[in-house]
Parts: sequence; structure tokens; C-alpha cells
Amino acid sequence: EAGVTQFPSHSVIEKGQTVTLRCDPISGHDNLYWYRRVMGKEIKFLLHFVKESKQDESGMPNNRFLAERTGGTYSTLKVQPAELEDSGVYFCASSQSRGSGYTFGSGTRLTVV
Amino acid sequence: AQSVSQHNHHVILSEAASLELGCNYSYGGTVNLFWYVQYPGQHLQLLLKYFSGDPLVKGIKGFEAEFIKSKFSFNLRKPSVQWSDTAEYFCAVSGGSYIPTFGRGTSLIVHP
Repeated sequence: EAGVTQFPSHSVIEKGQTVTLRCDPISGHDNLYWYRRVMGKEIKFLLHFVKESKQDESGMPNNRFLAERTGGTYSTLKVQPAELEDSGVYFCASSQSRGSGYTFGSGTRLTVV
Repeated sequence: AQSVSQHNHHVILSEAASLELGCNYSYGGTVNLFWYVQYPGQHLQLLLKYFSGDPLVKGIKGFEAEFIKSKFSFNLRKPSVQWSDTAEYFCAVSGGSYIPTFGRGTSLIVHP
């Protein structure tokens, strides 16, 4: 089966610009998660979708971050406007059910300059 | 709230040395435990997981981990590392919310 796909793999943008990250989960996986890792720190949870609904968005840092999952398939994470501290690697993961094994994408490395 | 502590941030070993990476968690209820690995330039991959049953879990590539409930620990072990084990290793725990919480990761470098 195809894995979790994320793109772009890298993005370099200027402070104040907008960036949209995309995640395509494994087909049939209702649960989709976004995580972020700032360099050298832990991988932090951002939010969790079940199908198209946001189940838990307690990890979203602020209102400059907007996640959507229209139709319950792929998800986008938009950062607008981007700040320097938003730099990091954004991971997406999906799972068939809550608590089951999570499959991660390769991540998007975002650099805000 | 659940949390994960990985004690070793950087580990350097020679090939054939034994490996043990520490992982402790805090959570009062039933947990699922995971070890993930990220090889250079690749995505996070699941090494092994514990949901229930035998507390000694065997994973891929010769790795194993032991869940010790009384110590809230889930240490990762491998009897003899190889150069190809050079990677970053993450311990994760999920409790009632089923959302994994990750540790800071341990960078392992194996010298040939």
C-alpha cells in the first residue's frame, strides 16, 4: 500500500509569507495527525482529525495555523503569516483506528527566513 | 497529561557494541508504547510497539524493548549494533487520548 505522502519536502519562505503543507494519508485511514519538530526538540502534537472533523487541536500553537481536511481525505496545514519560530519539520501521520499503529510521512522541512 | 523522557540525547558506539536507550513515561492509566526510528534522510518508521501481553517486545532489525510497569519504563535494546543503525530514535506513549506523545529523541552514531 502507498504510505503517507507529504509535500513539499522542503519549503523556504520569508517571514510574513504564507505556506501550505499537504498530507495524503494512507487510503482508508480515518485518523490523521499533524506533528511538528523544532530542531533538537521533541516531536510535538499539533492536531488530530477523524475523517473531516477536528478531534483535538490542543497542540496548535496559535491562530496563524489553520488545518483542514475537506472530504476526509488529504489534509492541508496553512501557516499565515509565517514567523521565524515556525521553522521546523512538520510530520503527518495516519492510522486506521485510534491507538493502532501510526504511519508517518517523510515530513516537510519548513524554513522561515 | 502524559509525558516521555529519553535520558540519552546522544550516544556513540562502535559496531558490535550493545545498545540500551532509556525511556520513561508518566501516565497513570493503561498505555500503548512505541519506539520509532528515523534514518538519515528518511521518514519515521515504527521499530516496535507494546499494547498488551508479553512485556518483552521484539521489533524489526533485531531490536527489542521491555515494558516494566513498576518503573514506568520502556527501554530499547539491541545486543550488537551495526553501522546501519545510525539514526535518531524516538520513544512515544499514548494513553487515554490515543494520541502519541514523543520524547526528545536519541541520536545514535555507530562507528564502523
